[in-house]
Amino acid sequence: GESVGLHLPTLSVQEGDNSIINCAYSNSASDYFIWYKQESGKGPQFIIDIRSNMDKRQGQRVTVLLNKTVKHLSLQIAATQPGDSAVYFCAENPLYIPTFGRGTSLIVHP
Amino acid sequence: DTGVSQDPRHKITKRGQNVTFRCDPISEHNRLYWYRQTLGQGPEFLTYFQNEAQLEKSRLLSDRFSAERPKGSFSTLEIQRTEQGDSAMYLCASSLGTGEGNTEAFFGQGTRLTVV
Repeated sequence: GESVGLHLPTLSVQEGDNSIINCAYSNSASDYFIWYKQESGKGPQFIIDIRSNMDKRQGQRVTVLLNKTVKHLSLQIAATQPGDSAVYFCAENPLYIPTFGRGTSLIVHP
Repeated sequence: DTGVSQDPRHKITKRGQNVTFRCDPISEHNRLYWYRQTLGQGPEFLTYFQNEAQLEKSRLLSDRFSAERPKGSFSTLEIQRTEQGDSAMYLCASSLGTGEGNTEAFFGQGTRLTVV
């Protein structure tokens, strides 16, 4: 079946480096995507979203890139901080229901 | 706090007992979702309401699970005859559905259920 998946389960970076978290999706009908951050014991926290009529969107220290040709999303975090350590999920939103992949654990070393 | 609120935050119950969780969405949000999340996995969709109407249910939602949203505001999720496999984090989310299509869903902090 169609699904949202992530390339790497764990990403380790040094504080101050830029982080890139990747996500592949396979539902060609998806037209809306969201990145969430989840810290241990907490619910997912909205970071940034992007619609399929865009290929890039920027927020505060974060940028999401969408490549519809290869069905790929990425989340770029600039100047990664220890507080960015968490699990990151991309979610696609077909039929108004956010559908999640497994997640990538980001570990930031001081 | 005007975010999504869930109660209780933690629940420990004996196998076979019934449990009920409550979710208060963001006040103007008309869409409400329930998810289940186990360790190391992403949230799995359970069910979805548009106002008071339950529009979608996952195959994960067995007959022992029931959800309601009677007045289109808060929602409850009940699990009857709990089993150890029901142990998980139960997450609620809400979003503002508009004619423009999808908008972001905001999550509560979840209810951690442990069945012993």
